[in-house]
Amino acid sequence: EAGVTQSPTHLIKTRGQQATLRCSPISGHTSVYWYQQALGLGLQFLLWYDEGEERNRGNFPPRFSGRQFPNYSSELNVNALELEDSALYLCASSLDTQYFGPGTRLTVL
Amino acid sequence: EDQVTQSPEALRLQEGESSSLNCSYTVSGLRGLFWYRQDPGKGPEFLFTLYSAGEEKEKERLKATLTKKESFLHITAPKPEDSATYLCAVQAYGSGNTGKLIFGQGTTLQVKP
Repeated sequence: EAGVTQSPTHLIKTRGQQATLRCSPISGHTSVYWYQQALGLGLQFLLWYDEGEERNRGNFPPRFSGRQFPNYSSELNVNALELEDSALYLCASSLDTQYFGPGTRLTVL
Repeated sequence: EDQVTQSPEALRLQEGESSSLNCSYTVSGLRGLFWYRQDPGKGPEFLFTLYSAGEEKEKERLKATLTKKESFLHITAPKPEDSATYLCAVQAYGSGNTGKLIFGQGTTLQVKP
């Protein structure tokens, strides 16, 4: 069974640009979660989508947004990129336990 | 405020030298406690879920236990391939907590041959 997949693996942007990260959940999972893992800060909860709706969001500014598509895949958009947005962005999917993908490494120059 | 604290931050062991990692938590109501393993540059790999005090789970050389305030991950006779960062996370009850895992900072384990 295929696990959670994320694309791209790496993404390099400059300050002020927009980034789009993608996630495909495990087949049969309807919930998708996004986390940010910045150096020295640990994993921080960003967003939770279930059945196409945003169900909860963490303490991040509105320039972090996303959506979930009818096939349950998801997109995370980060607008007006700042240097401190550089991090590993992790997607997880679940029916109950959250299973993580390999992450997208975002570097903001 | 819900919080998870892991100790030690880093642990060096010789191959075969057993030890324990600690995860202390403060939550309004515990829905579940999770252990993950993370290798450098990769996503966390699920290990265990514990739901109530007294519960224990085992997998190969790893055993996780849970009390009302903390969880331990015991590593018996570790091998170099057990080297990784071990993450503890909790999920709490409450409308603002739904779906959200609160992670500790992790314990980085190095096992030398």
